[in-house]
Amino acid sequence: GESVGLHLPTLSVQEGDNSIINCAYSNSASDYFIWYKQESGKGPQFIIDIRSNMDKRQGQRVTVLLNKTVKHLSLQIAATQPGDSAVYFCAEKDPYNFNKFYFGSGTKLNVKP
Amino acid sequence: ETGVTQTPRHLVMGMTNKKSLKCEQHLGHNAMYWYKQSAKKPLELMFVYSLEERVENNSVPSRFSPECPNSSHLFLHLHTLQPEDSALYLCASSQESGSYEQYFGPGTRLTVT
Repeated sequence: GESVGLHLPTLSVQEGDNSIINCAYSNSASDYFIWYKQESGKGPQFIIDIRSNMDKRQGQRVTVLLNKTVKHLSLQIAATQPGDSAVYFCAEKDPYNFNKFYFGSGTKLNVKP
Repeated sequence: ETGVTQTPRHLVMGMTNKKSLKCEQHLGHNAMYWYKQSAKKPLELMFVYSLEERVENNSVPSRFSPECPNSSHLFLHLHTLQPEDSALYLCASSQESGSYEQYFGPGTRLTVT
């Protein structure tokens, strides 16, 4: 299968600062990506998605950037809050099997008050 | 809450035991999924069901046996498991198989002794 990875396993930020979480993917044919948030004791929760025909997509306090040239994906969280503390991971849809996603290992975001 | 519930939330079983995990979705979705989440490893797809028919078996050992009696319920029957099967088992559902947005349950934390 294809690999989807995260550069940093743990990220600590001060409350109110912006957070950036990175992800690399390996299949240049991949055309759809999702960012998930997983809080302790809970299942993953969809945050935002992006298709390969876009470079940027914005949601509420979150922005996903896609750089297809270097096969890199990032999640930016503006004005990080304590409630943002969680593990974040990206997922890449298998371009050849519509039932499959490949998931990254995750980055733990710690928000310091 | 995501509309997907899982029971039990925690399970400890011996290698010779037989147990079952249960998932129920209240979203009217037609597709359901089992995932395995091991410590420090990416989420792994195990099975996909669409309208009660298994459409994906991701090379899962036969000691894991899924069952989907209707589109709202999904079971994972476990027998003669190994300690390395200890993990968080997550259920998810989506409108259709291949739908991009999946809703995850909170998971069952399984420990095999």
